[in-house]
Amino acid sequence: AVQMTQSPSSLSASVGDRVTITCRASQGIRSDLGWYQQKPGKAPKLLIYAASNLQSGVPSRFSGSGSGTDFTLTISSLQPEDFATYYCLQDYSYPRTFGQGTKVEI
Amino acid sequence: EVQLVESGGGLVQPGGSLRLSCAASGFTVSNFWMTWVRQAPGKGLTWVANIRRQGSEEHYVDSVKGRFTISRDNAKNSLYLQMNNLRAEDTAVYYCARDADFSSNDIWYDAFDIWGQGTMVTVSS
Repeated sequence: AVQMTQSPSSLSASVGDRVTITCRASQGIRSDLGWYQQKPGKAPKLLIYAASNLQSGVPSRFSGSGSGTDFTLTISSLQPEDFATYYCLQDYSYPRTFGQGTKVEI
Repeated sequence: EVQLVESGGGLVQPGGSLRLSCAASGFTVSNFWMTWVRQAPGKGLTWVANIRRQGSEEHYVDSVKGRFTISRDNAKNSLYLQMNNLRAEDTAVYYCARDADFSSNDIWYDAFDIWGQGTMVTVSS
Protein backbone atom coordinates (compact mmCIF):
# COMPACT_ATOMS: atom_id res chain seq x y z
CA ALA A 1 0.00 0.00 0.00
CA VAL A 2 1.11 3.55 -0.71
CA GLN A 3 1.91 5.30 2.57
CA MET A 4 1.12 9.00 2.83
CA THR A 5 3.16 10.99 5.33
CA GLN A 6 1.86 14.42 6.22
CA SER A 7 3.75 17.15 8.02
CA PRO A 8 3.46 18.84 10.36
CA SER A 9 0.92 16.93 12.45
CA SER A 10 -0.23 20.23 13.92
CA LEU A 11 0.55 23.92 13.66
CA SER A 12 -0.46 27.20 15.21
CA ALA A 13 -0.81 30.26 13.04
CA SER A 14 -2.36 33.71 13.07
CA VAL A 15 -5.04 35.18 10.85
CA GLY A 16 -3.41 36.39 7.66
CA ASP A 17 -0.49 33.97 7.84
CA ARG A 18 0.60 31.84 4.92
CA VAL A 19 0.34 28.17 5.88
CA THR A 20 1.94 25.23 4.10
CA ILE A 21 1.19 21.55 4.67
CA THR A 22 3.15 18.82 2.94
CA CYS A 23 2.32 15.26 2.01
CA ARG A 24 4.86 12.71 0.84
CA ALA A 25 3.95 9.43 -0.86
CA SER A 26 6.01 6.28 -0.38
CA GLN A 27 6.05 5.81 -4.14
CA GLY A 28 5.18 7.91 -7.17
CA ILE A 29 1.47 8.62 -7.53
CA ARG A 30 1.52 10.99 -10.53
CA SER A 31 -0.94 13.76 -9.58
CA ASP A 32 -3.52 11.42 -8.08
CA LEU A 33 -3.90 13.32 -4.85
CA GLY A 34 -6.66 15.25 -3.16
CA TRP A 35 -6.79 17.52 -0.13
CA TYR A 36 -9.69 17.51 2.31
CA GLN A 37 -10.68 19.79 5.18
CA GLN A 38 -12.50 18.46 8.21
CA LYS A 39 -13.98 20.56 10.98
CA PRO A 40 -14.85 19.02 14.37
CA GLY A 41 -17.95 16.85 14.23
CA LYS A 42 -18.37 17.36 10.50
CA ALA A 43 -17.76 15.33 7.37
CA PRO A 44 -14.64 16.05 5.33
CA LYS A 45 -14.87 18.54 2.48
CA LEU A 46 -12.99 18.31 -0.82
CA LEU A 47 -10.66 21.28 -1.39
CA ILE A 48 -8.25 20.20 -4.13
CA TYR A 49 -8.30 17.35 -6.65
CA ALA A 50 -5.62 16.11 -9.03
CA ALA A 51 -3.00 17.76 -6.80
CA SER A 52 -3.57 21.32 -7.94
CA ASN A 53 -7.16 21.81 -9.07
CA LEU A 54 -9.45 23.87 -6.87
CA GLN A 55 -12.84 22.31 -6.24
CA SER A 56 -15.79 24.48 -7.20
CA GLY A 57 -16.82 26.85 -4.42
CA VAL A 58 -13.54 26.61 -2.50
CA PRO A 59 -11.90 29.99 -1.76
CA SER A 60 -8.93 30.87 -3.95
CA ARG A 61 -6.66 31.27 -0.91
CA PHE A 62 -6.34 27.47 -1.02
CA SER A 63 -3.94 26.02 -3.56
CA GLY A 64 -2.17 22.74 -4.18
CA SER A 65 0.98 21.74 -5.97
CA GLY A 66 3.26 18.80 -6.58
CA SER A 67 3.42 15.53 -8.46
CA GLY A 68 5.13 12.19 -8.07
CA THR A 69 5.89 11.86 -4.37
CA ASP A 70 5.83 15.38 -2.91
CA PHE A 71 2.76 17.54 -2.57
CA THR A 72 1.85 20.80 -0.86
CA LEU A 73 -1.34 22.46 0.30
CA THR A 74 -1.02 26.21 0.82
CA ILE A 75 -3.41 28.61 2.48
CA SER A 76 -2.25 32.02 1.32
CA SER A 77 -3.92 34.10 4.02
CA LEU A 78 -5.35 32.12 6.92
CA GLN A 79 -8.90 32.98 7.94
CA PRO A 80 -10.65 32.14 11.24
CA GLU A 81 -12.92 29.64 9.47
CA ASP A 82 -9.84 27.68 8.31
CA PHE A 83 -9.40 26.18 11.79
CA ALA A 84 -9.68 22.49 10.90
CA THR A 85 -7.78 19.32 10.23
CA TYR A 86 -6.46 18.77 6.71
CA TYR A 87 -5.89 15.40 5.07
CA CYS A 88 -4.28 14.32 1.84
CA LEU A 89 -5.60 11.25 0.02
CA GLN A 90 -3.96 9.29 -2.77
CA ASP A 91 -6.27 7.81 -5.39
CA TYR A 92 -3.51 6.29 -7.51
CA SER A 93 -3.82 2.72 -6.25
CA TYR A 94 -5.70 0.46 -3.87
CA PRO A 95 -6.13 0.65 -1.01
CA ARG A 96 -6.73 4.38 -1.07
CA THR A 97 -4.73 5.91 1.75
CA PHE A 98 -5.01 9.15 3.70
CA GLY A 99 -2.26 11.07 5.38
CA GLN A 100 -2.49 11.16 9.16
CA GLY A 101 -3.83 14.71 9.16
CA THR A 102 -2.59 18.19 10.04
CA LYS A 103 -4.49 20.13 12.69
CA VAL A 104 -4.40 23.88 12.08
CA GLU A 105 -5.01 25.99 15.16
CA ILE A 106 -5.59 29.67 14.95
CA GLU B 1 -29.99 19.24 -3.60
CA VAL B 2 -27.22 16.69 -3.94
CA GLN B 3 -26.78 14.86 -0.68
CA LEU B 4 -26.04 11.57 1.05
CA VAL B 5 -27.67 10.44 4.28
CA GLU B 6 -26.29 7.50 6.25
CA SER B 7 -28.21 5.36 8.70
CA GLY B 8 -27.94 2.04 10.48
CA GLY B 9 -25.21 2.71 13.00
CA GLY B 10 -25.45 1.68 16.61
CA LEU B 11 -24.05 -0.45 19.40
CA VAL B 12 -23.21 -4.07 18.56
CA GLN B 13 -21.35 -6.79 20.41
CA PRO B 14 -18.04 -8.17 19.14
CA GLY B 15 -18.73 -10.81 16.52
CA GLY B 16 -22.04 -9.24 15.62
CA SER B 17 -23.31 -7.76 12.37
CA LEU B 18 -24.63 -4.43 11.22
CA ARG B 19 -25.79 -3.04 7.89
CA LEU B 20 -25.19 0.60 7.08
CA SER B 21 -27.28 2.42 4.50
CA CYS B 22 -26.53 5.55 2.53
CA ALA B 23 -29.44 7.17 0.68
CA ALA B 24 -28.58 9.48 -2.18
CA SER B 25 -30.62 12.35 -3.54
CA GLY B 26 -29.98 14.76 -6.36
CA PHE B 27 -27.93 12.27 -8.35
CA THR B 28 -27.96 8.60 -9.41
CA VAL B 29 -25.59 6.31 -7.50
CA SER B 30 -25.32 3.91 -10.44
CA ASN B 31 -23.55 6.66 -12.41
CA PHE B 32 -20.70 6.98 -9.90
CA TRP B 33 -18.17 4.95 -7.99
CA MET B 34 -19.24 5.09 -4.35
CA THR B 35 -17.06 4.81 -1.26
CA TRP B 36 -17.11 4.18 2.48
CA VAL B 37 -14.61 5.94 4.75
CA ARG B 38 -14.39 5.56 8.52
CA GLN B 39 -12.93 7.53 11.39
CA ALA B 40 -12.21 5.98 14.77
CA PRO B 41 -12.80 8.29 17.76
CA GLY B 42 -10.09 10.95 17.87
CA LYS B 43 -8.27 9.41 14.91
CA GLY B 44 -7.75 10.13 11.24
CA LEU B 45 -9.65 9.04 8.16
CA THR B 46 -9.43 5.50 6.78
CA TRP B 47 -10.72 4.44 3.38
CA VAL B 48 -12.77 1.24 3.75
CA ALA B 49 -14.25 0.16 0.41
CA ASN B 50 -15.63 1.28 -2.91
CA ILE B 51 -17.86 -0.07 -5.66
CA ARG B 52 -17.78 0.58 -9.38
CA ARG B 53 -20.46 2.47 -11.22
CA GLN B 54 -22.92 0.18 -13.01
CA GLY B 55 -20.91 -2.89 -12.22
CA SER B 56 -19.78 -5.28 -9.56
CA GLU B 57 -16.11 -4.33 -9.16
CA GLU B 58 -15.33 -3.78 -5.50
CA HIS B 59 -12.22 -2.95 -3.48
CA TYR B 60 -11.58 -3.20 0.25
CA VAL B 61 -8.93 -2.27 2.75
CA ASP B 62 -7.19 -5.42 4.01
CA SER B 63 -8.52 -5.06 7.57
CA VAL B 64 -12.13 -5.58 6.46
CA LYS B 65 -11.70 -8.07 3.60
CA GLY B 66 -13.88 -11.11 4.09
CA ARG B 67 -15.95 -9.38 6.77
CA PHE B 68 -17.45 -6.32 5.04
CA THR B 69 -19.42 -6.21 1.79
CA ILE B 70 -20.26 -3.08 -0.14
CA SER B 71 -23.32 -3.10 -2.36
CA ARG B 72 -25.74 -0.84 -4.14
CA ASP B 73 -29.48 -0.87 -4.84
CA ASN B 74 -30.08 1.21 -7.95
CA ALA B 75 -33.86 1.11 -7.53
CA LYS B 76 -33.54 2.67 -4.08
CA ASN B 77 -30.64 4.90 -5.16
CA SER B 78 -28.75 3.71 -2.12
CA LEU B 79 -25.38 2.34 -1.05
CA TYR B 80 -24.86 -0.24 1.68
CA LEU B 81 -22.11 -1.67 3.85
CA GLN B 82 -22.78 -5.08 5.39
CA MET B 83 -20.43 -5.55 8.32
CA ASN B 84 -20.02 -9.02 9.82
CA ASN B 85 -17.83 -10.41 12.57
CA LEU B 86 -17.34 -6.95 13.98
CA ARG B 87 -14.38 -6.17 16.18
CA ALA B 88 -13.70 -3.44 18.73
CA GLU B 89 -11.31 -1.81 16.24
CA ASP B 90 -14.20 -1.30 13.80
CA THR B 91 -15.64 1.29 16.18
CA ALA B 92 -15.82 4.49 14.16
CA VAL B 93 -17.96 7.04 12.41
CA TYR B 94 -18.69 5.67 8.95
CA TYR B 95 -19.09 8.09 6.06
CA CYS B 96 -20.33 7.32 2.57
CA ALA B 97 -18.99 9.49 -0.22
CA ARG B 98 -19.45 10.00 -3.93
CA ASP B 99 -16.31 9.23 -5.91
CA ALA B 100 -16.61 11.67 -8.80
CA ASP B 101 -14.51 11.94 -11.96
CA PHE B 102 -12.65 15.15 -12.73
CA SER B 103 -10.71 15.99 -15.89
CA SER B 104 -7.45 17.91 -15.77
CA ASN B 105 -5.19 18.30 -18.82
CA ASP B 106 -7.11 15.50 -20.57
CA ILE B 107 -6.41 13.07 -17.73
CA TRP B 108 -9.21 11.76 -15.55
CA TYR B 109 -8.90 11.80 -11.79
CA ASP B 110 -11.32 10.95 -9.05
CA ALA B 111 -12.08 12.57 -5.72
CA PHE B 112 -14.72 12.33 -3.02
CA ASP B 113 -16.85 15.38 -3.72
CA ILE B 114 -20.04 14.64 -1.77
CA TRP B 115 -20.06 13.19 1.77
CA GLY B 116 -22.78 12.08 4.12
CA GLN B 117 -22.98 13.28 7.71
CA GLY B 118 -21.71 9.98 9.09
CA THR B 119 -23.17 7.24 11.28
CA MET B 120 -21.53 5.96 14.47
CA VAL B 121 -20.77 2.28 14.93
CA THR B 122 -19.72 1.11 18.38
CA VAL B 123 -18.50 -2.45 18.87
CA SER B 124 -18.45 -3.30 22.55
CA SER B 125 -19.70 -5.89 25.02
